[in-house]
Amino acid sequence: RKEVEQDPGPFNVPEGATVAFNCTYSNSASQSFFWYRQDCRKEPKLLMSVYSSGNEDGRFTAQLNRASQYISLLIRDSKLSDSATYLCVVHPTDSWGKLQFGAGTQVVVTP
Amino acid sequence: NAGVTQTPKFQVLKTGQSMTLQCAQDMNHNSMYWYRQDPGMGLRLIYYSASEGTTDKGEVPNGYNVSRLNKREFSLRLESAAPSQTSVYFCASIGEATNEKLFFGSGTQLSVL
Repeated sequence: RKEVEQDPGPFNVPEGATVAFNCTYSNSASQSFFWYRQDCRKEPKLLMSVYSSGNEDGRFTAQLNRASQYISLLIRDSKLSDSATYLCVVHPTDSWGKLQFGAGTQVVVTP
Repeated sequence: NAGVTQTPKFQVLKTGQSMTLQCAQDMNHNSMYWYRQDPGMGLRLIYYSASEGTTDKGEVPNGYNVSRLNKREFSLRLESAAPSQTSVYFCASIGEATNEKLFFGSGTQLSVL
């Protein structure tokens, strides 16, 4: 079993709609969680960190469920520019060398 | 402020050839990383360096060597390239503050024929 798992998608979303997807992690000692965005063949870029109480950044909302060991990302009012692959990143220990990446969830926003 | 600079952007090698991927960061970060990304898979850690002069193996170190000669630069060397090393390679660095973000280079598309 992979340590960080994501539904690869693609999630086909009409422009203006809401889309949400999860990422599950296996190590209950994981401390920090992030969502990165990756456009085709480009480097990943941080979208947002995920805090225990949940957090929002504009149209993006991230949630953490420690009991069930997953994080989620919700995108409201989807824009064409939101089309990308969203990578879940989990930091299981206090060593930054142990960052773990999910394979990504592809989102395609259509007109 | 350039962030993380990675070269080359593209490279084609024949099986058995060697090459070095260069990475430099200007953010005074201690920790630097080399990842590879294959279709349908997440980024997999090849090697990382927690500080100048130290390196540690990641998930997929076989066939690679690294060098952290100073704080800025972290290079990845393929001594004898194999087709299985065809991939996109990313260098990254991170600061030590909690939840500080990972900065990536723009990637190297490597093909080994």
